[in-house]
Amino acid sequence: AQKVTQAQTEISVVEKEDVTLDCVYETRDTTYYLFWYKQPPSGELVFLIRRNSFDEQNEISGRYSWNFQKSTSSFNFTITASQVVDSAVYFCALSEAYQAGTALIFGKGTTLSVSS
Amino acid sequence: AAGVIQSPRHLIKEKRETATLKCYPIPRHDTVYWYQQGPGQDPQFLISFYEKMQSDKGSIPDRFSAQQFSDYHSELNMSSLELGDSALYFCASSLGDEQFFGPGTRLTVL
Repeated sequence: AQKVTQAQTEISVVEKEDVTLDCVYETRDTTYYLFWYKQPPSGELVFLIRRNSFDEQNEISGRYSWNFQKSTSSFNFTITASQVVDSAVYFCALSEAYQAGTALIFGKGTTLSVSS
Repeated sequence: AAGVIQSPRHLIKEKRETATLKCYPIPRHDTVYWYQQGPGQDPQFLISFYEKMQSDKGSIPDRFSAQQFSDYHSELNMSSLELGDSALYFCASSLGDEQFFGPGTRLTVL
């Protein structure tokens, strides 16, 4: 069965601190996709990144970086020099071998609060 | 760029009433998904359609039904509404493996 675990329910940091959000996944498939979404207080789901199971290269996008390790089934997300605007709920999600209509399985989410 | 459109954005209904949520996918996207997000919860997959045929089914109650029309828009019909149906309902569309989410419809059942 596929499952996504985000063990950190809530994290509070002060601006300019670095913060890492953990994501551990379970799947029997060898081909799968991993995602991170941000949900600000306004409620929309904002796509941040997609990674397929064959691409273990880490990625950096501005202050955001992602560390994908198949050996530990983890796909962690780091925000460097956090800002108040980063305050949101962050969801990690898994999609098994792609075919049209395949569902996304979300973790429970991590609520990040960044104070000034 | 065009995004996924959902209507209405907010809906208030009484228990036992019916509701219809509409989703207009990004042009040329052939797949539509519906998710339900309860307060403080993660989005839960309900159902998806590819080329107007049901593709995958999740934890969708029997009181709910959905379909995708010839113009690829989709409707989620909800009957005999219960208090527990109060949630944010997201529609997403895709042409490949990336799902683009709409802004959601917030349904409140009183």
